[in-house]
Amino acid sequence: AQTVTQSQPEMSVQEAETVTLSCTYDTSENNYYLFWYKQPPSRQMILVIRQEAYKQQNATENRFSVNFQKAAKSFSLKISDSQLGDTAMYFCAFMKHGDMRFGAGTRLTVKP
Amino acid sequence: DAGVIQSPRHEVTEMGQEVTLRCKPISGHNSLFWYRQTMMRGLELLIYFNNNVPIDDSGMPEDRFSAKMPNASFSTLKIQPSEPRDSAVYFCASSLAGGSQPQHFGDGTRLSIL
Repeated sequence: AQTVTQSQPEMSVQEAETVTLSCTYDTSENNYYLFWYKQPPSRQMILVIRQEAYKQQNATENRFSVNFQKAAKSFSLKISDSQLGDTAMYFCAFMKHGDMRFGAGTRLTVKP
Repeated sequence: DAGVIQSPRHEVTEMGQEVTLRCKPISGHNSLFWYRQTMMRGLELLIYFNNNVPIDDSGMPEDRFSAKMPNASFSTLKIQPSEPRDSAVYFCASSLAGGSQPQHFGDGTRLSIL
């Protein structure tokens, strides 16, 4: 079974600064997919970014980017120019054959 | 475009009662997932369907829980009888099959069993 570990239960960042959220996973698979989801207080689960394991290039979506280290099984999320609306729980997820497993989440607070 | 639609948004009921949660996936999506979210256990996959067929129900906590998908546009998660420890937010998600597509979540049902 795949496990996903987010070692930072809570983090905070000043508005306009950059923050990095950590995620590691354990798998014996070679081809899989990784995701970051955001859950604001409204409790919606919003897809932030995805990464295919067969791609070496790190995915980016506007202010969000990842640092994917396949050998280290690490998949961190970097948020640049943090905004108050980025305050949320962030979940890292591993998916293989459509079966998605989530980490415990990191609660991010952006301070004005 | 309509997203995944769940109902009800909130449900409060007494223990022992039957609870039915409903989900309408995104049109054209052929994989459907039920999750439970609690503070203690985080997001847990309960069951998922491909083309209306249950593929993996190993996450269903016990026989009191059952899920059905009678057609491509509707699924239910039933708890009978309900217990206070079933209190949680239950999410439904859908995706295109193929194993590479992200899941799109509904807004969840907050269930409180008194």
